[in-house]
Amino acid sequence: DTGVSQDPRHKITKRGQNVTFRCDPISEHNRLYWYRQTLGQGPEFLTYFQNEAQLEKSRLLSDRFSAERPKGSFSTLEIQRTEQGDSAMYLCASSGGVGGFNSPLHFGNGTRLTVT
Amino acid sequence: KQEVTQIPAALSVPEGENLVLNCSFTDSAIYNLQWFRQDPGKGLTSLLLIQSSQREQTSGRLNASLDKSSGRSTLYIAASQPGDSATYLCAVNQGGSEKLVFGKGTKLTVNP
Repeated sequence: DTGVSQDPRHKITKRGQNVTFRCDPISEHNRLYWYRQTLGQGPEFLTYFQNEAQLEKSRLLSDRFSAERPKGSFSTLEIQRTEQGDSAMYLCASSGGVGGFNSPLHFGNGTRLTVT
Repeated sequence: KQEVTQIPAALSVPEGENLVLNCSFTDSAIYNLQWFRQDPGKGLTSLLLIQSSQREQTSGRLNASLDKSSGRSTLYIAASQPGDSATYLCAVNQGGSEKLVFGKGTKLTVNP
């Protein structure tokens, strides 16, 4: 179990640019989640994948945001035409195993995005 | 809409003290409740998960309780240590959705 890996750890971009983040979940986990966290707040749900299918999306995920999980392995989160309000920590989590819905989430260390 | 509140927002205690962190939620129709720990600049580490049919879970010096009907959970930390210093977050899952709704967390500082 190598844990959930996220890349890059930090990203600084200018407003209007596109950015893409990658998440590698724990290998045997079929559930993958993206959350966003701003300073002093708890994480907010963005989207959920079961294997390669994106089954749930938050209304927070505007049309500038898109997420994929090809072949049910790693996942990418892309933000187009970034805005200063997109500055946040983007967290990926995975879960799986016999507990199913009651399996705890394992989080990566996040990608911190700063939009200037 | 589910809302999760954690009190206090921050807590500072001397090493060795037993302490309780509180979490309340507005909609009692939850599927499970999870407690997490977050160190500065890092992701979240799952501490305990309590299913809706359970009343408590224990792991080492940690004990979490759940009272669904009153919409409350507590995290009890025994014999606190400086290494326990972190932000503790609780989150609820309502079933019918994969979304966890988080509180803002309690920032704990354990002084040597």
